[in-house]
Amino acid sequence: DIQMTQSPSSLSASVGDRVTISCRASQSITTYFNWYQQKPGKAPKLLIYSASSLQSGVPSRFSGSVSGTDFTLTINSLQPEDFATYFCQQSYSTPHTFGGGTKVEMK
Amino acid sequence: QVQLVQSGAEVKKPGASVKVSCKASGYTFTGYFIHWVRQAPGQGLEWMGWINPNSGGTNYAQRFQGRVTMTRDTSISTVYMELSRLRSDDTAVYYCARVVVDIPAAWFDPWGQGTLVTVSS
Repeated sequence: DIQMTQSPSSLSASVGDRVTISCRASQSITTYFNWYQQKPGKAPKLLIYSASSLQSGVPSRFSGSVSGTDFTLTINSLQPEDFATYFCQQSYSTPHTFGGGTKVEMK
Repeated sequence: QVQLVQSGAEVKKPGASVKVSCKASGYTFTGYFIHWVRQAPGQGLEWMGWINPNSGGTNYAQRFQGRVTMTRDTSISTVYMELSRLRSDDTAVYYCARVVVDIPAAWFDPWGQGTLVTVSS
């Protein structure tokens, strides 16, 4: 199985901050990689697909990048509605494993 | 709009089975695989498997093999996930999600609203 190692598991930030979340795959997954946002009591919501493509309707302050097997989610100018948990996922092979999640909390 | 609507919360005793439904609307039901993912309280996301609504073909995560069955009813655009021999650690929210494939990428969108399954004696 492909392991997805996500870091940090939590972070504290303020409105307006720039936030970065990382995810490393245990082997090559090319661009079969996605980021999701989850708020309490809600289903995950797709933010970024194919490592760096912004899902329709998602604000442009969210961006994704990749270098080899290292993936990064960046949130520029954090907004109040961005406080949530973020998960990475590989869809290269089954089982389609997820990272452990990063909880973004208000400082 | 594309939507997946799941059945309501369930409470089951250990050893019982549960069957969760996921009704699709707003797109061609047989054109997209449906995956199931679960989330235990306060935990991360765990992939369980997929079903091809067109053929009925399935692929299950190894840890659920023998306990999970995914089926579909094309006449009502609904897929089902049945988990048997329930244990307390099966207590979780179960999600269905449509997978969109655009090689070289695949992503889950949208997700159902989730179904809480509680296993308790």
